Amino acid sequence: DQQVKQNSPSLSVQEGRISILNCDYTNSMFDYFLWYKKYPAEGPTFLISISSIKDKNEDGRFTVFLNKSAKHLSLHIVPSQPGDSAVYFCAASERTYKYIFGTGTRLKVLA
Amino acid sequence: DSGVTQTPKHLITATGQRVTLRCSPRSGDLSVYWYQQSLDQGLQFLIQYYNGEERAKGNILERFSAQQFPDLHSELNLSSLELGDSALYFCASSARDFGETQYFGPGTRLLVL
Repeated sequence: DQQVKQNSPSLSVQEGRISILNCDYTNSMFDYFLWYKKYPAEGPTFLISISSIKDKNEDGRFTVFLNKSAKHLSLHIVPSQPGDSAVYFCAASERTYKYIFGTGTRLKVLA
Repeated sequence: DSGVTQTPKHLITATGQRVTLRCSPRSGDLSVYWYQQSLDQGLQFLIQYYNGEERAKGNILERFSAQQFPDLHSELNLSSLELGDSALYFCASSARDFGETQYFGPGTRLLVL
């Protein structure tokens, strides 16, 4: 049973436009959420996180939105750049020791 | 470069065999985490060690075991290998415990034939 779901395996966006990556979760006890980015042949790298006490967190071009009632979070990248092309994983934690990762969304930013 | 190193980068072995994957965390990090990524799957948390002691367990099979040594490097042992164990195995480290940013190594790609 996938507790964290990324239903779009891939996404293509034009350079300069907004990329929106979505993530849904089922466990209402999750209280900490993260996004990781992964390039080929590299390990995932931390991008941005959000605690359940917030509904938005921003870091430069990256903004994460959390909708607790819908059990949904999204990552917005504005403006998208070709270097953003990667696989993006969302992850959730229940204030315990385990991060549950989604299956990833492959973003391709077209020049 | 995350500062986390993993060896080997690639490993090809046969069913029934045993392999050991090695991870060196970032300097100063006390926690080491192991993850498995199979084809089209997300990262599955396997196990965490904190300062030499097992801290948390995830979906780790009984055929798999891990340990963290006094110098804080960690090894993941996979035995009685099956075809389905073919995957990318990532190690990550963090300064202390969960709730902190985890820094991932480049992974070890295991192929079981």
